[in-house]
Amino acid sequence: DTGVSQNPRHKITKRGQNVTFRCDPISEHNRLYWYRQTLGQGPEFLTYFQNEAQLEKSRLLSDRFSAERPKGSFSTLEIQRTEQGDSAMYLCASGRTEEAFFGQGTRLTVV
Amino acid sequence: AQSVTQPDIHITVSEGASLELRCNYSYGATPYLFWYVQSPGQGLQLLLKYFSGDTLVQGIKGFEAEFKRSQSSFNLRKPSVHWSDAAEYFCAVAPPTSYDKVIFGPGTSLSVIP
Repeated sequence: DTGVSQNPRHKITKRGQNVTFRCDPISEHNRLYWYRQTLGQGPEFLTYFQNEAQLEKSRLLSDRFSAERPKGSFSTLEIQRTEQGDSAMYLCASGRTEEAFFGQGTRLTVV
Repeated sequence: AQSVTQPDIHITVSEGASLELRCNYSYGATPYLFWYVQSPGQGLQLLLKYFSGDTLVQGIKGFEAEFKRSQSSFNLRKPSVHWSDAAEYFCAVAPPTSYDKVIFGPGTSLSVIP
């Protein structure tokens, strides 16, 4: 499968713990996006990379959130000191042009 | 601030019937416009997009959408719905200067009955 891959698919964590998600984009896609989706809502933009450079961050991305794309390939999204309000589906997408290809997401539950 | 509204939270149609999903946007200039579909357990998939030109846009899976500048609308249509079309549909916009910051609407959930 050469689509966007996200791991893990599901994560349950206790409040206050740190979690890290990984996204492997489609090969040769220079753009990579992170979105957050809560139940009954559309995805909300979090951040965007072009190659290894993080070009834009949403104000939704608090100081507890950090994203990296160290070699312009895979990306990680880390949430420190998780809160119950962080429970959501975290979506990754990649693209070369205006079309973004989405992964199946990582569902985070904070208990 | 730019925004996207999808007035219908949930729609139910009979298989074989026609479908129209509504989308309205608020933006100073004509934005880039998209429709995505999200099936259970699947990632979001782009159905079609409008950047400029012909206001009637054809997409995949037999879908089309019409851009109406005067109404700030970009409604999605399909002449005959199949049971496999049951999914969540999202309208989205992006600034005309950058398609990298896409704003999604709240979505319309489509159910198809036999």
